[in-house]
Amino acid sequence: DAGVTQSPTHLIKTRGQQVTLRCSPKSGHDTVSWYQQALGQGPQFIFQYYEEEERQRGNFPDRFSGHQFPNYSSELNVNALLLGDSALYLCASSTFAYGYTFGSGTRLTVV
Amino acid sequence: QKEVEQNSGPLSVPEGAIASLNCTYSDRGSQSFFWYRQYSGKSPELIMSIYSNGDKEDGRFTAQLNKASQYVSLLIRDSQPSDSATYLCASSTQGNTGKLIFGQGTTLQVKP
Repeated sequence: DAGVTQSPTHLIKTRGQQVTLRCSPKSGHDTVSWYQQALGQGPQFIFQYYEEEERQRGNFPDRFSGHQFPNYSSELNVNALLLGDSALYLCASSTFAYGYTFGSGTRLTVV
Repeated sequence: QKEVEQNSGPLSVPEGAIASLNCTYSDRGSQSFFWYRQYSGKSPELIMSIYSNGDKEDGRFTAQLNKASQYVSLLIRDSQPSDSATYLCASSTQGNTGKLIFGQGTTLQVKP
């Protein structure tokens, strides 16, 4: 049983560029959440998707947007990248009966 | 701003000792509490979840919850060098699928 799969694992972008990160949830999970983890900090909630709609959103600017597809996979898009967007981006999938399973993350470096 | 607070450490214990990790939270609406272990450069891994006041044991791990004091703790018995990691405390107001509010994590070092 595959867990949560994220791609790519690492990428480097230039300030002002746009980036798309992808996540495939664990089999049987219907809810996908995205977190940003800066170095030395705990993960910060970005938003959550359920039934292809954004159900909750954290304190992140509109530059951060997302999407969930009918197969429950999800994308995180970040526009106009800033140096401060450099972080580990974690996708977590869940379902009502079971708690979160985290993917291995995407390490984004903005230069 | 609803917060979860942890001492960042590092907490250093000798091999075989009990490691005690603590966490406080500010949102009295929090219903579910989780302890995650995170090795350097890796993603968080769920160790324990606790929902009611009292203790919950799983192998060498015991989670304790005191909602009146808004306090959560994790005890690790017979600590091993492989337990060396950052331990993240998280709370949720909506059970297993609500957003998680994380503390900044406590770094544990278990010395052989």
